Amino acid sequence: EADIYQTPRYLVIGTGKKITLECSQTMGHDKMYWYQQDPGMELHLIHYSYGVNSTEKGDLSSESTVSRIRTEHFPLTLESARPSHTSQYLCASSESMGFGNTIYFGEGSWLTVV
Amino acid sequence: EDQVTQSPEALRLQEGESSSLNCSYTVSGLRGLFWYRQDPGKGPEFLFTLYSAGEEKEKERLKATLTKKESFLHITAPKPEDSATYLCAVQGGSNYKLTFGKGTLLTVNP
Repeated sequence: EADIYQTPRYLVIGTGKKITLECSQTMGHDKMYWYQQDPGMELHLIHYSYGVNSTEKGDLSSESTVSRIRTEHFPLTLESARPSHTSQYLCASSESMGFGNTIYFGEGSWLTVV
Repeated sequence: EDQVTQSPEALRLQEGESSSLNCSYTVSGLRGLFWYRQDPGKGPEFLFTLYSAGEEKEKERLKATLTKKESFLHITAPKPEDSATYLCAVQGGSNYKLTFGKGTLLTVNP
């Protein structure tokens, strides 16, 4: 089981503000992911990383950006938040990206942009 | 494109009343089918991975089964603490990414 920590858990911010959602994992997993989930809807992959200095965009287009400077840290940044960014953001990690490898999730960060 | 459909969208049971949740999928070459439990306001918690038709896995009151087109999550004698949203996801073909369904919201009344 992976230990994945996300901060903040809940955030309300004004339109136009810059915000960074933090994600750290202690399992040494190479692969990390960011998913977006609206209430009652599917999880959609927005970013993933194979390892340090590797980032890729996921299936769902997102205005957010990510970085991977350290193995354990995978922050997500919104340069200028808008109400359409209101959602739950879930960070996840896995030991590898091969088939059948389990993806473990953090508790999520609820973002509300007013 | 991989697709996952879960039914029912919501299920209300009395404590002790067994039932099943369904996950129908379309995927080009299934590599893995995953079940997660998600409590309100929290991230998904991993339950099971199934790899091939005929496979079954159990954990406490939960049992997951897999056929070539669908998976079932059987809940035997559920308790109120089993109340949660249960998510199904598939990984297929040459795509390592998971495709999730919308989930089934299970409520178990005491």
